[in-house]
Amino acid sequence: DADVTQTPRNRITKTGKRIMLECSQTKGHDRMYWYRQDPGLGLRLIYYSFDVKDINKGEISDGYSVSRQAQAKFSLSLESAIPNQTALYFCATSAYTGELFFGEGSRLTVL
Amino acid sequence: AQSVTQLDSQVPVFEEAPVELRCNYSSSVSVYLFWYVQYPNQGLQLLLKYLSGSTLVKGINGFEAEFNKSQTSFHLRKPSVHISDTAEYFCAVSRAASGGSYIPTFGRGTSLIVHP
Repeated sequence: DADVTQTPRNRITKTGKRIMLECSQTKGHDRMYWYRQDPGLGLRLIYYSFDVKDINKGEISDGYSVSRQAQAKFSLSLESAIPNQTALYFCATSAYTGELFFGEGSRLTVL
Repeated sequence: AQSVTQLDSQVPVFEEAPVELRCNYSSSVSVYLFWYVQYPNQGLQLLLKYLSGSTLVKGINGFEAEFNKSQTSFHLRKPSVHISDTAEYFCAVSRAASGGSYIPTFGRGTSLIVHP
């Protein structure tokens, strides 16, 4: 089994719908992240969490929210999806140094 | 603010030729440096990392990188590439945040295309 698991792997939805992407990990790391990947833009940080009670905005948090339900679970929500949120989303965990362990990615298409 | 610049968006090269993918960063604080690789339709995996010690670090699949503090660079090299090295390569820099933890920032990526 993968150390970092994302669900769903693919999702097509319509503008205005609420979407949740879920992430769970077995690495035992306290730190978890959500990144968004767009062609030519690399990975941009949406939110990060250093422990269950710690949530921080990244560089592109507008339009997104997160929930850290447990040390091993970190979910990303789009309250009202819009087409420019179409992207590949990655969950990751890290040790203290910031070395990241990634999930397989969740491809979201907003029509 | 910290930025990571990957100077080439695309690098075409012939099989068995050497390659260098360039990465520069700006930071006024201590950093850790990483290269990740993303094969087509896959997630990212770590190629190599610099945390401390020797400035020349070796990674998987024959890749290596050299940390140059004065030039704030961390260029990735391979002496002889294979078709299977075709992938997207990302440079990442972790900087110290409040509380002492390090937050990773990524460059925009370099697409390495290896031709037969």
